Amino acid sequence: ETGVTQTPRHLVMGMTNKKSLKCEQHLGHNAMYWYKQSAKKPLELMFVYSLEERVENNSVPSRFSPECPNSSHLFLHLHTLQPEDSALYLCASSQGTGGSTDTQYFGPGTRLTVL
Amino acid sequence: TQLLEQSPQFLSIQEGENLTVYCNSSSVFSSLQWYRQEPGEGPVLLVTVVTGGEVKKLKRLTFQFGDARKDSSLHITAAQPGDTGLYLCAGIDSNYQLIWGAGTKLIIKP
Repeated sequence: ETGVTQTPRHLVMGMTNKKSLKCEQHLGHNAMYWYKQSAKKPLELMFVYSLEERVENNSVPSRFSPECPNSSHLFLHLHTLQPEDSALYLCASSQGTGGSTDTQYFGPGTRLTVL
Repeated sequence: TQLLEQSPQFLSIQEGENLTVYCNSSSVFSSLQWYRQEPGEGPVLLVTVVTGGEVKKLKRLTFQFGDARKDSSLHITAAQPGDTGLYLCAGIDSNYQLIWGAGTKLIIKP
């Protein structure tokens, strides 16, 4: 248990559906991250939020829309996804302000399958 | 594009054997981290190495940072089934970006 929880743990959706992934951190951290993990590929950083403001957006398609209503919660809203978006989506948090030297604590991930 | 190459991609060995996995790049990193990711979980940080040539030990795991800070290795002595998982390395480059490797999937058979 790392103090970062993600729901749902598994999600199957059609390409026309709209769904949301939720992440909650119980560590009092200031920064939160979304990553995409595909088999045999490096982790892809998608978004970084520091003190509820987005500080990084790595050329992610607009069909992924993040939301950070407060420092403990992070959402990833999904709409009109493609089959190649199927992957494990990991949330992480860190005590600092989102710099690469911060130690990140990861949640267990949401396994997403797009049909 | 900076890359961190991890090798081997997959390794399956018997309990009690020793193994080494590698993380290599042509780029210099100010520090390098090793994570273990167990099935159904997120990555967990094991160690950070900072100084060229640095060696850190975590029970049966030995981590080494190359002298030129371009590569690192993880050696496991007398592997146990509990060591099974995906081992990821990640380095901080000169632009303070965290660069990830694709991982080594390790299976230790009882």
